[in-house]
Amino acid sequence: GAGVSQSPSNKVTEKGKDVELRCDPISGHTALYWYRQRLGQGLEFLIYFQGNSAPDKSGLPSDRFSAERTGESVSTLTIQRTQQEDSAVYLCASSQSASHEQYFGPGTRLTVT
Amino acid sequence: GENVEQHPSTLSVQEGDSAVIKCTYSDSASNYFPWYKQELGKRPQLIIDIRSNVGEKKDQRIAVTLNKTAKHFSLHITETQPEDSAVYFCAASNPAGNKLTFGGGTRVLVKP
Repeated sequence: GAGVSQSPSNKVTEKGKDVELRCDPISGHTALYWYRQRLGQGLEFLIYFQGNSAPDKSGLPSDRFSAERTGESVSTLTIQRTQQEDSAVYLCASSQSASHEQYFGPGTRLTVT
Repeated sequence: GENVEQHPSTLSVQEGDSAVIKCTYSDSASNYFPWYKQELGKRPQLIIDIRSNVGEKKDQRIAVTLNKTAKHFSLHITETQPEDSAVYFCAASNPAGNKLTFGGGTRVLVKP
């Protein structure tokens, strides 16, 4: 079946602009995660959604970052007033529920110039 | 919060030799430990995982061991092949299962 998809695959934006990244999880997966991966580094947890529960936003690095998810479907990660340090690959993952294997999307490579 | 340390950061082995990657974690309540393989420019993929009620798990050439007392776990790859070349990440999950903390990764190079 279809895996996790993300769009766009690449995004180049000017410093100060807002960007919106999209994630389509695997159908039926109630849990959805966003991670940031800077070049040559590990994955940094950003936010977690589980069904209709309040999201765990503890990993968001600043108030310029926000994310939404409607029910168990698409999620969007928004970065406002982008800075050069926001340049990274943003990975989305979904799982059947918490404590289950996370399946990753291909990521969105964000470059802030 | 949880902190996961991973060593070494790079590992070069000759084809056919074994590779071992070690991780330590700080939160004794962590109970799920997956390992992901990430090839260049691709998404991370789960290769093996272990839960805290098990000490060792094996899947063909890959094995993971867990020492809860010492709070460390290791990935063992035997009979390495060039296609094993990738970056490997360990991770530890909080008890609620809603947050994975990743190690910094190990870049493995298998030389033919």
